[in-house]
Amino acid sequence: DAKTTQPPSMDCAEGRAANLPCNHSTISGNEYVYWYRQIHSQGPQYIIHGLKNNETNEMASLIITEDRKSSTLILPHATLRDTAVYYCIVRVRGGSQGNLIFGKGTKLSVKP
Amino acid sequence: NAGVTQTPKFRVLKTGQSMTLLCAQDMNHEYMYWYRQDPGMGLRLIHYSVGEGTTAKGEVPDGYNVSRLKKQNFLLGLESAAPSQTSVYFCASSSTQGYQPQHFGDGTRLSIL
Repeated sequence: DAKTTQPPSMDCAEGRAANLPCNHSTISGNEYVYWYRQIHSQGPQYIIHGLKNNETNEMASLIITEDRKSSTLILPHATLRDTAVYYCIVRVRGGSQGNLIFGKGTKLSVKP
Repeated sequence: NAGVTQTPKFRVLKTGQSMTLLCAQDMNHEYMYWYRQDPGMGLRLIHYSVGEGTTAKGEVPDGYNVSRLKKQNFLLGLESAAPSQTSVYFCASSSTQGYQPQHFGDGTRLSIL
């Protein structure tokens, strides 16, 4: 699975969009980009995933560059409850193992 | 919706004691996983299972054993607890259908003295 690079921390003002970058320059053609987050003391929570097209769901949007070497997770209107560590993970879809390789992620702090 | 339930939530053990952590899921998922998370680090896979009666080693399996006798349950055992096993343990499950996200429990905080 390709390695990802994320900034260790970011701040965002409440109500503003939070844009979390992820670099995955060694991604291969059959690898997807997944985002999870972990709110303090809780289990990780799935947010969104994509291959090459931009994706949007009720939680966030995922923008993947055309060369697929980087992506951005967008929380359109961040709230205090979005304060968490966000993990960008790249891996092949499906598979019998399915384990996720979590790096250190980005600690997002949403401030009033 | 219970999802993934882990018991106990907290436990303190003495070195050398044994215990079993229980993970139960009510989503009829085939795949189940045990991770550990240490301060300042991401999750690391201990063992996983792709179906009832099957288990396999993950990244950090030493010192742990697992069993999947029933599809809905995945047990993690520590035969002789060591201080290095002080950690937060997370269980997760997922479906086999296409890409389905992993659903995590809220963790078991284990301290080995």
